Amino acid sequence: EVQLVQSGAEVKKPGESLKISCKGSGYSFTNYWIGWVRQMPGKGLEWMGIIYPGDSDTRYSPSFQGQVTISADKSISTAYLQWSSLKASDTAMYYCARRSAWYISGYYSYGMDVWGQGTTVTVSS
Amino acid sequence: EIVLTQSPGTLSLSPGERATLSCRASQSVSSRSLGWYQQKPGQAPRLLIYGASNRATGIPDRFSGSGSGTDFTLTISRLEPEDFAVYYCQQSGSSPWAFGQGTKVEIK
Repeated sequence: EVQLVQSGAEVKKPGESLKISCKGSGYSFTNYWIGWVRQMPGKGLEWMGIIYPGDSDTRYSPSFQGQVTISADKSISTAYLQWSSLKASDTAMYYCARRSAWYISGYYSYGMDVWGQGTTVTVSS
Repeated sequence: EIVLTQSPGTLSLSPGERATLSCRASQSVSSRSLGWYQQKPGQAPRLLIYGASNRATGIPDRFSGSGSGTDFTLTISRLEPEDFAVYYCQQSGSSPWAFGQGTKVEIK
C-alpha cells in the first residue's frame, strides 16, 4: 500500500525548534515530489514548498521562504519540515503529499494523490 | 505568482442537485497541472481531479472537471450526502504552487 505517514502531534513553546517528518512507503520515494501544506485552524490550504528526494531539489513559497526548512533523507524515505524558532502563528495542521504524474493522450498530467494524515503543531506559552 | 480565486465561497444545495464550482487564475495555468481536492472535517484532502479533467482513482463519475487557461470548473452532477465538504483547486505548473481559498458545499 502506498502511504505517507507523518510524525505525531507536537506542543511547543515560542522560540523552540521543531522538525516533523513524513515517511513514504509502498513506492519509489526518490521519484516523486513531496509537498508540504499548512492549514491554520478553520482556514484553507496553503502550499509551503516541495522537495524532490532524488536530488533534494527544493522550492519554497515566498510566504514561507526563510521561515521553514524542507529536507529529505532518501535512505529512509522520509521528508522533513523544520522550524528554528517557532511562533504562536505557526500553530496549524501540516500535511505532506506526493505529487504524481499520469501519461495521458501524449503528455503528463499532475496531481497530489497521496496525503499524510497530518501533524498538528501547537505553539503556546 | 499565480493566484487562484474560487467562487462562490459557499454553495448551499440539496442532495440530488447539481453543483458548479469555479476556479479562476490570475494568469494562464497549464491544464495538465490543475487539480481539484475535497476535504471533509478532520480529514486530509483527497485528490478528485488531476490535469483539469481526469478523475483520480476511485472517484465517482458524478465528479467532472473542465476548463483551460484561466477558468476551470468542477461539477458534481447530483450531490450525494457524502459530497458536502470543502473543495479546493490547486495549480502545480509553476512555482510557487498555489491553492484557491476553497468553496464550501453545504446542505441547504
